[in-house]
Amino acid sequence: ELKVEQNPLFLSMQEGKNYTIYCNYSTTSDRLYWYRQDPGKSLESLFVLLSNGAVKQEGRLMASLDTKARLSTLHITAAVHDLSATYFCAVDLTGTSYGKLTFGQGTILTVHP
Amino acid sequence: GAVVSQHPSWVICKSGTSVKIECRSLDFQATTMFWYRQFPKQSLMLMATSNEGSKATYEQGVEKDKFLINHASLTLSTLTVTSAHPEDSSFYICSAAPGTGQPQHFGDGTRLSIL
Repeated sequence: ELKVEQNPLFLSMQEGKNYTIYCNYSTTSDRLYWYRQDPGKSLESLFVLLSNGAVKQEGRLMASLDTKARLSTLHITAAVHDLSATYFCAVDLTGTSYGKLTFGQGTILTVHP
Repeated sequence: GAVVSQHPSWVICKSGTSVKIECRSLDFQATTMFWYRQFPKQSLMLMATSNEGSKATYEQGVEKDKFLINHASLTLSTLTVTSAHPEDSSFYICSAAPGTGQPQHFGDGTRLSIL
């Protein structure tokens, strides 16, 4: 059974600070996704990581994937209030249909002045 | 970009009612769509895989007779919650992708409240 674990589950940051969210998964996979969810809303796709060593950046967010360690990171640089949201990583189990995602628990990020 | 539309966005109904939720891919065809359920302050849990022209595949613990899925065309999947009860109250979200390896695009979700 595929398990996906995020750490931390709650993150309170000051504006301007840096921090990293970790996503560990239990079974072989080379397809990992990061999503953002605002309160009461659905999911917004942030990053798609499809190979070992993949690194993607968008604005103040950067995601990476280490398939050997079964670890992905979402790094936040110089946080701003607009980044406050819940962040989910999700994994496709290798050998199964694309899109059959197992989600982490989510990390609730609050950025304050 | 790829758009997935979900309707309705919010439903409140009495216990025992059946509720139908639609999920449409607006600018691409999807042979496969996925239905998730999210309880408050929890993560998303996959309920079932909707396959165009064939039966849906349900995850363990999901009652297929309670959550009826129909995927009659390449752009539409429906989820019907039959004889809904308060414990079925949740946020239901569908997803689809325009191609293999591309990220899933999620509908806006349907908030279902059963009184």
